[in-house]
Amino acid sequence: EAQVTQNPRYLITVTGKKLTVTCSQNMNHEYMSWYRQDPGLGLRQIYYSMNVEVTDKGDVPEGYKVSRKEKRNFPLILESPSPNQTSLYFCASSSDRDTDTQYFGPGTRLTVL
Amino acid sequence: AQKITQTQPGMFVQEKEAVTLDCTYDTSDPSYGLFWYKQPSSGEMIFLIYQGSYDQQNATEGRYSLNFQKARKSANLVISASQLGDSAMYFCAMRDWALTGGGNKLTFGTGTQLKVEL
Repeated sequence: EAQVTQNPRYLITVTGKKLTVTCSQNMNHEYMSWYRQDPGLGLRQIYYSMNVEVTDKGDVPEGYKVSRKEKRNFPLILESPSPNQTSLYFCASSSDRDTDTQYFGPGTRLTVL
Repeated sequence: AQKITQTQPGMFVQEKEAVTLDCTYDTSDPSYGLFWYKQPSSGEMIFLIYQGSYDQQNATEGRYSLNFQKARKSANLVISASQLGDSAMYFCAMRDWALTGGGNKLTFGTGTQLKVEL
C-alpha cells in the first residue's frame, strides 16, 4: 500500500529537549516536505527536499532542521524545542510531475511544555 | 506572492443537499494548480480534487466538483448530496509551477469547517 508514515503520532516534551520526528514514504517520490498546522493559519511549509541531499527552507524554517540521506526518509529535527513549536506536523511526498498531488502522512501532534 | 483566501470559517448544510465552499486565490503566474483537501476530526489530510490553470473543463471526482472561474480567480468546491461523513475541515491549496526552488510547495488557505446535519 502506498503511504507516508510518521512517528511518533503524539509527543509531549519539555523545552530544550532535542527530538526527531521521522517520515518515510514507499512511493519512490523525489519530493518531500514538512508542514505545520496551527489554528486559523492553515498549513505552512517548514522545509522541503527535491531529492537526496537537496533540501531548502520553506516559509517557517526557524527552529527546525531536516536531512535527506535516503530517498524514502525525511526526518524533522527540533534541536531545542520551544512552546511556540507546539503544533500538528505533517510530512508529505509527491513525484516531480507538475500535476501530481502531495500525499500526506497521518500527522504528529507535538506539545512542548 | 501567492495567497489563498477561504472566507467561510464554518458552514452548516443539511444531509442530501449540495454545498459550495469558497476559495479565491492570488497569483501573478499563468501556470498553477489548485487542490482541495479534506481533514476529518481524526486529523489526516485527504486529497479530493485537482484543477490545473490550463484545464478547459471544471474538474469532477464523484460527488466533488470544482467550480473554476479563472478570470475571477476563484476555485470553489461543490459537494453534491452531502453526507454525515462529509463533516470535516476543508482546505483549498495552490501550487505555483513558476516557483524556482520551491518544488511542489502548496500554499494553503485557513480552511472551512463543514458540519452536515440531519
